[in-house]
This record gives sequence, C-alpha cells and structure tokens, in this order.
Amino acid sequence: SQQGEEDPQALSIQEGENATMNCSYKTSINNLQWYRQNSGRGLVHLILIRSNEREKHSGRLRVTLDTSKKSSSLLITASRAADTASYFCATDVNDYKLSFGAGTTVTVRA
Amino acid sequence: DGGITQSPKYLFRKEGQNVTLSCEQNLNHDAMYWYRQDPGQGLRLIYYSQIVNDFQKGDIAEGYSVSREKKESFPLTVTSAQKNPTAFYLCASSNRAQGYGYTFGSGTRLTVV
Repeated sequence: SQQGEEDPQALSIQEGENATMNCSYKTSINNLQWYRQNSGRGLVHLILIRSNEREKHSGRLRVTLDTSKKSSSLLITASRAADTASYFCATDVNDYKLSFGAGTTVTVRA
Repeated sequence: DGGITQSPKYLFRKEGQNVTLSCEQNLNHDAMYWYRQDPGQGLRLIYYSQIVNDFQKGDIAEGYSVSREKKESFPLTVTSAQKNPTAFYLCASSNRAQGYGYTFGSGTRLTVV
C-alpha cells in the first residue's frame, strides 16, 4: 500500500522559476526520501531527511519536514530544463522497506 | 563503477509464458527489491530480500517469484499466473550505512504480445 501522496500531480514552470511539490503521509516515519525519475529510466536518490530534522539542503534542492502535519515539501530553485522529471517521495515502512507515492511530474519550459 | 544492472531493457512475453528479469549489483548492498510501475503511477513493491537465501512478499507478489542465492543477484520471474504483467519493472538495492537510500537499476519494460 502507498503511504505517501504527492501534490500537485503535475507542474509546469518556466526555466529559472522555483518548483515546489508536497508529500503527505499517514503513519509515523523514521525518515523520508525524495527521488527523481527521468522518463523511461530508474529512480535517482536525491535527499533523505530524518524525522528529527526540519530542513535539509542539497545544491538547488531544499526539503522540509513537518512531522506534526505528516508532510514534506521539495523545493527546486532556479529550475533548468534538465530538472524536467517525475519526483517521488518515499517513507520508510520498516528498517528496509520504503513506500513510494505516485509522484509529481515537473515540466520546465525553456 | 559500482552500480545495479537490469537486463534486458525490453522484454516481450507471450501468453502463458514465464519470463525472468535479471538484476545484478556490485555495491555490496545487503537488501534488494523489485518494484512494478504502471504508466503515470507510483511504485508498488513485489518482493524484497534483506539477506541471501531469504526474501519476503511485498504488496503485489501474486504471479511473481524470486530467488536470492547470491548477494549480488536477485532475479524476478513473472509467471503465467500474473494476468496483467505489462509494466515497467525496477530493481533496487540498499545499505543500512547509507541510511536506506535506494540505488535503482534502469528498468526492464515487459510487454505481453
């Protein structure tokens, strides 16, 4: 069963703009992860945030986590055409198992 | 370079046929996973294995089988009992030391003909 849900389902932005997507989940977690998938490819791990962390940065990515609201957001700043992809959040079901949401499809227009 | 390799990239299956998808990793990861992805949807877990010679069913294991005889290899067999096998199949591996971040293969697209 899928625990995480991303919002919006799809997002279209102009190059240089910021893109924000959200993830909500149902049960308590140890960590939450974000992945990117280019069309027809495997997923690439972007960032992991632990339940005791509130914000994390990696390059142009900023992730926040609000455990009281059971939600997370991924912000991509100064978007580029290469950021066009689907983005998935994943929450840990147990020590080894992750549950993935349905993803947000981001299109960056030149 | 370390990584995870799935083969073949494309696979065609006739009705009633079993097919096996290969997944090999040289990352020395303990855990391996198989996910199924349907168009426009998220990933659904088929099977996972935490150690050699042990594996557990995921959310949609019916019609699939796996083996884990070597740490590096986790092949998935799609049996004739799987009624709707057309999908994109993704293999992944993980290591506790990495905080459970998964490394994914590039996927196998299976089509029933």
